[in-house]
Amino acid sequence: QSVLTQPPSVSGAPGQRVTISCTGSSSNIGAGYDVHWYQLIPGTAPKLLIYGNTNRPSGVPDRFSGSKSGASASLAITGLQAEDEADYYCQSYDSSLSHWVFGGGTKLTVL
Amino acid sequence: EVQLVESGGGLVQPGGSLKLSCAASGFTFSGSAVHWVRQASGKGLEWVGRIRNKANSFATAYAASVKGRFSISRDDSKNTAYLQMNSLKTEDTAVYYCTSPAGGSGWYFNYWGRGTLVTVSS
Repeated sequence: QSVLTQPPSVSGAPGQRVTISCTGSSSNIGAGYDVHWYQLIPGTAPKLLIYGNTNRPSGVPDRFSGSKSGASASLAITGLQAEDEADYYCQSYDSSLSHWVFGGGTKLTVL
Repeated sequence: EVQLVESGGGLVQPGGSLKLSCAASGFTFSGSAVHWVRQASGKGLEWVGRIRNKANSFATAYAASVKGRFSISRDDSKNTAYLQMNSLKTEDTAVYYCTSPAGGSGWYFNYWGRGTLVTVSS
């Protein structure tokens, strides 16, 4: 079981908006550690999408946005495109484990 | 262009050993920490361990699932990091990614390789 909890799957039609949640606890997200998001497409290197809860690296479209509240965080994708179909992972740090932790991943299907 | 290229994966029997390499280019490797992250088939990402830079005494840290069996090292003259895996178990079967927080705060991973597959099976 992953330390951070994500829904196994989400889906949406092209052009729609979807959100992916990431729930942690008082030893990670709730302790104030930032949340970061990655996109995994099979056969390619994982890609950093959001860092520090809300920041986009250069080159990431502004269709992707992140937020954090309490012990949870969310990734929102607006204007869904076929190329967004991928697995998405949240990541933070856990002070009880003293190491970096990931969510279980969410598979996004563009209908 | 930043690149991280993993190599050394393959098929190994339970109880065996394997050493993975991660060759870096395009950024100041010697000043950066290097982490290893793995993904078993159908499972999520799992942090394996990390090695810090020389300024931080090459300090290492490992997940409980691999502590005592895996070790991470680096050769800054070759811009390469290594993951030595001993006493391998079937549950270590996964794609192993090399990643670095270079250029960031250290809490997230800017750069990733494409991974190398390790299969532990008899």
